[in-house]
Amino acid sequence: GESVGLHLPTLSVQEGDNSIINCAYSNSASDYFIWYKQESGKGPQFIIDIRSNMDKRQGQRVTVLLNKTVKHLSLQIAATQPGDSAVYFCAEGTGGFKTIFGAGTRLFVKA
Amino acid sequence: NAGVTQTPKFRVLKTGQSMTLLCAQDMNHEYMYWYRQDPGMGLRLIHYSVGEGTTAKGEVPDGYNVSRLKKQNFLLGLESAAPSQTSVYFCASSLGLNEKLFFGSGTQLSVL
Repeated sequence: GESVGLHLPTLSVQEGDNSIINCAYSNSASDYFIWYKQESGKGPQFIIDIRSNMDKRQGQRVTVLLNKTVKHLSLQIAATQPGDSAVYFCAEGTGGFKTIFGAGTRLFVKA
Repeated sequence: NAGVTQTPKFRVLKTGQSMTLLCAQDMNHEYMYWYRQDPGMGLRLIHYSVGEGTTAKGEVPDGYNVSRLKKQNFLLGLESAAPSQTSVYFCASSLGLNEKLFFGSGTQLSVL
């Protein structure tokens, strides 16, 4: 069945370093992927998305990479800041009404 | 700039009690969703709506009902609460299919 999973449940980085959060998906027909950030006590917040006709997309301090060959997605955060501490979810939008969410990776930023 | 607003933020119920969670969005979105989030698990879709007057089942609909009488509101009801329904509930909306979701701040529900 469809699934979206994360390689690491937690990630700890030093402030100022770059962070990389990985995600694997199983549905080769997936054509839309989204990263969300969830801070404690809040709802998920959209960070960046990418469609399957692209392999890279950049935002402000964030970059998403899509490797369709190995069905892998990654989120790169440049110059990680304490405010980046949160749980990050990758999600797959299949074109239907069901967005599939991974379990999430918790990012800790050490000062 | 409210976005998606959920009420209440916290609620404690006894087994068998009923309640309604309210969700309102001011972005004129057609699509609205109710998710539950449990520790160590991703968000799971309970019910969704593709427009005013329409609702449909998601991944985990049992024990819940929904209504979308107005485009901006999506209500989630629990007719007879069970401890297994202890969770954090999120409402979300989107402009269309294959579009990013906008989430509310969540409702922490405990069923004793």
